[in-house]
Amino acid sequence: QKEVEQDPGPLSVPEGAIVSLNCTYSNSAFQYFMWYRQYSRKGPELLMYTYSSGNKEDGRFTAQVDKSSKYISLFIRDSQPSDSATYLCAMKNTGRRALTFGSGTRLQVQP
Amino acid sequence: DAGITQSPRHKVTETGTPVTLRCHQTENHRYMYWYRQDPGHGLRLIHYSYGVKDTDKGEVSDGYSVSRSKTEDFLLTLESATSSQTSVYFCAIRGEDTSPLHFGNGTRLTVT
Repeated sequence: QKEVEQDPGPLSVPEGAIVSLNCTYSNSAFQYFMWYRQYSRKGPELLMYTYSSGNKEDGRFTAQVDKSSKYISLFIRDSQPSDSATYLCAMKNTGRRALTFGSGTRLQVQP
Repeated sequence: DAGITQSPRHKVTETGTPVTLRCHQTENHRYMYWYRQDPGHGLRLIHYSYGVKDTDKGEVSDGYSVSRSKTEDFLLTLESATSSQTSVYFCAIRGEDTSPLHFGNGTRLTVT
């Protein structure tokens, strides 16, 4: 079983919809949680970075961490065609030098 | 961009030849990483460095070696390229233990 599980999609939504992307994990020591967006033929780009549990908001994006359920989410409000990309979750614990990545969810926002 | 340059951006090579990919950073970050990304496998860590001349293996290190003689440069060498090493290779950097990763734009390698 992988340490981090992420539904590969694709997830197709109409423009303006609220999108929910999720990852589950098994390692309770994870404390740092990240979401990356990757456009085709580009490197992953950091979207959100959170520590421990709680919510973090940045514009149309909200990241949620529920450590008790070992579950993290990324919400995108008022989704745009330009949000069409692959979204990767990543996480680590203090002292571990490498991140553990989910396999990514492909999102398509239809105009 | 996080000040990361990967070269070359594209390369086609033949089976059995050595190949070196370069990652150059201008951020003076301590940690540097090499990942490969393949359909169905996501991002997989090949090797990483936590300082000049300090490197360690990742989950898919067989057939790869690395060197870091300067803070700004991290080289990935395929000693004898095989078709299974056809992939997109990403370099990533980060500053401190709690900092997130920042990625370069990748090198697309094809081994024929």
